[in-house]
Amino acid sequence: GDSVTQMEGPVTLSEEAFLTINCTYTATGYPSLFWYVQYPGEGLQLLLKATKADDKGSNKGFEATYRKETTSFHLEKGSVQVSDSAVYFCALTTVTGGGNKLTFGTGTQLKVEL
Amino acid sequence: DGGITQSPKYLFRKEGQNVTLSCEQNLNHDAMYWYRQDPGQGLRLIYYSQIVNDFQKGDIAEGYSVSREKKESFPLTVTSAQKNPTAFYLCASSIRISSGNTIYFGEGSWLTVV
Repeated sequence: GDSVTQMEGPVTLSEEAFLTINCTYTATGYPSLFWYVQYPGEGLQLLLKATKADDKGSNKGFEATYRKETTSFHLEKGSVQVSDSAVYFCALTTVTGGGNKLTFGTGTQLKVEL
Repeated sequence: DGGITQSPKYLFRKEGQNVTLSCEQNLNHDAMYWYRQDPGQGLRLIYYSQIVNDFQKGDIAEGYSVSREKKESFPLTVTSAQKNPTAFYLCASSIRISSGNTIYFGEGSWLTVV
């Protein structure tokens, strides 16, 4: 079945440091890939997405490139801020048996300190 | 503003009781979903619905029930058969069932069994 593997957290960085959160996936067919962000006590917000190989999703300084050859979708940001502290989820969707299934990784908590 | 509204935000349930979580969307989306989130884990799909009067079981449907009588509403009932119902529940929707379509989330409902 489909699966998403993320690096375990928490990841603790100083403000303005470079961020990478690794994400790899296993899927049949041609999945779309997503990064969601969850702030404490809230629902998930879409951060960025990519729907085909070599696409780059970007938003609010975050980027991720859909790499089919390495089945990866790593999240990067050049300079993190304290306000980026949250849990980040990598996810994919495939359409199987008439259903659109969104499969999540377990999430990576990011803590950014001054 | 368009969005997904979940209520209540916090709910306490006694052992043996059924409770219903409300989810309403005004995005005119065809597809709706319910996910469960436990600490340190990713989201797991409970039920999803592609269209009014239709719904399908997800990965962890046992002990839950849903209905889809209106396009904008997809309530989730947590029955007494659910052995470990304490969790954070997230409702979501998308335009339709398609791999590339973004799934949007509500703010979530916390359910605690007392």
